[in-house]
Amino acid sequence: DGGITQSPKYLFRKEGQNVTLSCEQNLNHDAMYWYRQDPGQGLRLIYYSQIVNDFQKGDIAEGYSVSREKKESFPLTVTSAQKNPTAFYLCASSVQGWNTEAFFGQGTRLTVV
Amino acid sequence: QKEVEQNSGPLSVPEGAIASLNCTYSDRGSQSFFWYRQYSGKSPELIMSIYSNGDKEDGRFTAQLNKASQYVSLLIRDSQPSDSATYLCAVNVLSGGGADGLTFGKGTHLIIQP
Repeated sequence: DGGITQSPKYLFRKEGQNVTLSCEQNLNHDAMYWYRQDPGQGLRLIYYSQIVNDFQKGDIAEGYSVSREKKESFPLTVTSAQKNPTAFYLCASSVQGWNTEAFFGQGTRLTVV
Repeated sequence: QKEVEQNSGPLSVPEGAIASLNCTYSDRGSQSFFWYRQYSGKSPELIMSIYSNGDKEDGRFTAQLNKASQYVSLLIRDSQPSDSATYLCAVNVLSGGGADGLTFGKGTHLIIQP
């Protein structure tokens, strides 16, 4: 069954902790993305990667880090430098090219306690 | 700065009627346009993509694009209560031929009244 898997579904973080959100895809897509969604807001791009071992900052990269060591995997670390990390985090992937339909995982809801 | 604007709603439509959702975008270099449906607490689901001016139909859904007016719309015919959701408009501006991510509007909350 092809798709994008995010884990965990819910995550609780204490103040000052780093946490890593997992995103795995078996669609053979080259490009992967991380978005953040706050209540009543659209999606905002955090980081994206067009190819293995390369990634670019999106609009709100401060306080986040990523790696892309494998085509299938694009984990996101929310660091203690992120001032307001409570949000719904969405991972997506797409093929390269101009008709870049992006497909999303089921999301991870992160709450700071 | 790339911007995508949508009326947040809620937009209330009687069951069986046509729901019309609108979106405008600021970047004239935009190449690809997408509509996503998002149910409360769930992730967005792609329902339509459109790349050239005109209409594109898929079942009860029709996407309309007017690049001169920087306007894209989604029509839902024979609206059903299950269509009640937030509809996100997304736009892609290519850079260097690669996929550098979509810019999303804040979404329109659609309510289909039985």
